[in-house]
Amino acid sequence: SQTIHQWPATLVQPVGSPLSLECTVEGTSNPNLYWYRQAAGRGLQLLFYSVGIGQISSEVPQNLSASRPQDRQFILSSKKLLLSDSGFYLCAWGRDRGTATEAFFGQGTRLTVV
Amino acid sequence: GENVEQHPSTLSVQEGDSAVIKCTYSDSASNYFPWYKQELGKRPQLIIDIRSNVGEKKDQRIAVTLNKTAKHFSLHITETQPEDSAVYFCAASGKDSSYKLIFGSGTRLLVRP
Repeated sequence: SQTIHQWPATLVQPVGSPLSLECTVEGTSNPNLYWYRQAAGRGLQLLFYSVGIGQISSEVPQNLSASRPQDRQFILSSKKLLLSDSGFYLCAWGRDRGTATEAFFGQGTRLTVV
Repeated sequence: GENVEQHPSTLSVQEGDSAVIKCTYSDSASNYFPWYKQELGKRPQLIIDIRSNVGEKKDQRIAVTLNKTAKHFSLHITETQPEDSAVYFCAASGKDSSYKLIFGSGTRLLVRP
């Protein structure tokens, strides 16, 4: 069966520090991968989307970047965090079937920038 | 790109009553519409979905309806229970958006015992 791992679960970082969140998927190949952010009490904002290794679509101009060094690994990074980067970050994967399918979410990382 | 709007933002119902959440989408090429439930502090989980070749789908107490002409779809929960209390998200996806899932802003449902 397929599983998605996302870590860490919680993170407190000072303003100006770097960020690296990692997500891996097991049990499937060539998944579509997503990074979403959820601000407190808000909706799910799509940050990055990837359909393959090295293929990253940036949805919102911001202080963040994403990379996909391996088929089932998706990394969210920042060189210098801002207070506004605080939120609940969710990685998700979807099957590549040449059509729209559901997304399966990781447990999320609650990031607080102080 | 696709834009999904969701209403209401909050909904309070008495246990046993029905709840309806509505979404509209902008991209007429979208053809997949899932609904997710997110309990406090947890990840969103799929509860039901519908494709554009179907007008209605039902799974026990929940149902989803789709009106392609009007570009809107709705979630219906009947006989609500306190454990239905959560945030519900609609989403839309299609080929023109590279099959990305674009979410609505969410509805916080409170079921009063």
